[in-house]
Amino acid sequence: DQQVKQNSPSLSVQEGRISILNCDYTNSMFDYFLWYKKYPAEGPTFLISISSIKDKNEDGRFTVFLNKSAKHLSLHIVPSQPGDSAVYFCAASATNFNKFYFGSGTKLNVKP
Amino acid sequence: SQTIHQWPATLVQPVGSPLSLECTVEGTSNPNLYWYRQAAGRGLQLLFYSVGIGQISSEVPQNLSASRPQDRQFILSSKKLLLSDSGFYLCAWGTGENTEAFFGQGTRLTVV
Repeated sequence: DQQVKQNSPSLSVQEGRISILNCDYTNSMFDYFLWYKKYPAEGPTFLISISSIKDKNEDGRFTVFLNKSAKHLSLHIVPSQPGDSAVYFCAASATNFNKFYFGSGTKLNVKP
Repeated sequence: SQTIHQWPATLVQPVGSPLSLECTVEGTSNPNLYWYRQAAGRGLQLLFYSVGIGQISSEVPQNLSASRPQDRQFILSSKKLLLSDSGFYLCAWGTGENTEAFFGQGTRLTVV
């Protein structure tokens, strides 16, 4: 049972434009959400997170939006750069869960 | 600063052979520890997590087991590998309390 879903396996964007990666979840107990970036043959690296008490968190070119009523979050990258090309995973957790559930990932390709 | 070490980086094992993957964390005490697997073309599946020495929770029935003999050591094992055990195995640590998890560099296991 996939509690965190990323329905777009891939996304292609032109350099300088906005990349929008989407994620949906089903468990209403989730209250903490994260985005990770992963290159081939490497471990994921943490990008940005958001608590359910917020609806937006921004860090440089990366912004995460959370819509709790829709159980949906998105990652915006502006402007997109070729170095952003990687697989992006969203993840969710909950207080006292002690574990993270990951989506299946979206492969982002930023074209020069 | 905290670091996580995972080895080996790659491993080719015959079907029916045993497995032992080791993960150690430095620079923190009493971390939550996790084993994830990324099968080819798929997302990150949580296999095991541990909140303390000797405390192991299994997320999915499988051919693998985990142990935590020391506070900052997490071991993934199998007595007899199956072809379906092939994948990219990732160890991670976190402090819980709605903070991010940090991943090791992963082990590419190929069962032949």
